Amino acid sequence: DQQVKQNSPSLSVQEGRISILNCDYTNSMFDYFLWYKKYPAEGPTFLISISSIKDKNEDGRFTVFLNKSAKHLSLHIVPSQPGDSAVYFCAASLYSGGYQKVTFGTGTKLQVIP
Amino acid sequence: NAGVTQTPKFRVLKTGQSMTLLCAQDMNHEYMYWYRQDPGMGLRLIHYSVGEGTTAKGEVPDGYNVSRLKKQNFLLGLESAAPSQTSVYFCASSYSRARGEQYFGPGTRLTVT
Repeated sequence: DQQVKQNSPSLSVQEGRISILNCDYTNSMFDYFLWYKKYPAEGPTFLISISSIKDKNEDGRFTVFLNKSAKHLSLHIVPSQPGDSAVYFCAASLYSGGYQKVTFGTGTKLQVIP
Repeated sequence: NAGVTQTPKFRVLKTGQSMTLLCAQDMNHEYMYWYRQDPGMGLRLIHYSVGEGTTAKGEVPDGYNVSRLKKQNFLLGLESAAPSQTSVYFCASSYSRARGEQYFGPGTRLTVT
C-alpha cells in the first residue's frame, strides 16, 4: 500500500519557467509533508516542509502547497534553473512507534533545459 | 562538520557472504536510520534507532541486523547476503524533535551476485 504517490516519474522544463511537481497521499494522519532533492551519487537533502495545518510555505524560489481535502501537495520552483535538475522525493511524516515516521514517494526526475 | 558518512561506497558480495555497513554522524543527533532505495520504490526504512543502545525494526527488516553501541555510529549487518539485497543503502540521522527532516549520507551501492 503506497501511502505517498508521485505519479510523474519525470518532468522537463525550460530554464526560467515554473516547475510543478505533484504528490498525492492517502493517510489523513500525516502531520508534516516534506520535499527532498537528490543528485546522482549523493544522498537526499531536505528542501522544504509544510505542516498539515498550513496550506502554503515559501522559501525563496521554492513553494509548497498543501490541499488537505484533495490529499495533494505540490512543489513549485520559480524560476527553474539548470542546477535544479535532480530527483525530487515527496515525503510525509507522522508520530508512530516513538518517533516521527517518514514515508517517501518514488521520486520525480526533473530536468531543467538551458 | 562531515555530516553523515557511510563506509564503504561500493561493495560486491557473493550470495551467502556477510558484511557490515558503517554509518557515522557528527551532529549529535539522537535518531538514526537505515534505508534502502530500489528502482521505482522510493526509500524504505530497514531499521532505526532512537538512542544509543536502542534499535527497532522498520518497514523491511528481514535479513538485516543493526547495532548502535555509540551515539554517533549506526551499523547495518547482512549475515547471509541474497541477490534481493542488491540495492543502494542510505543512512540518515535527525534530532528527536524533527518533524521528518533527516540528514542523509551519500549511500552505499551493494551488489549481491
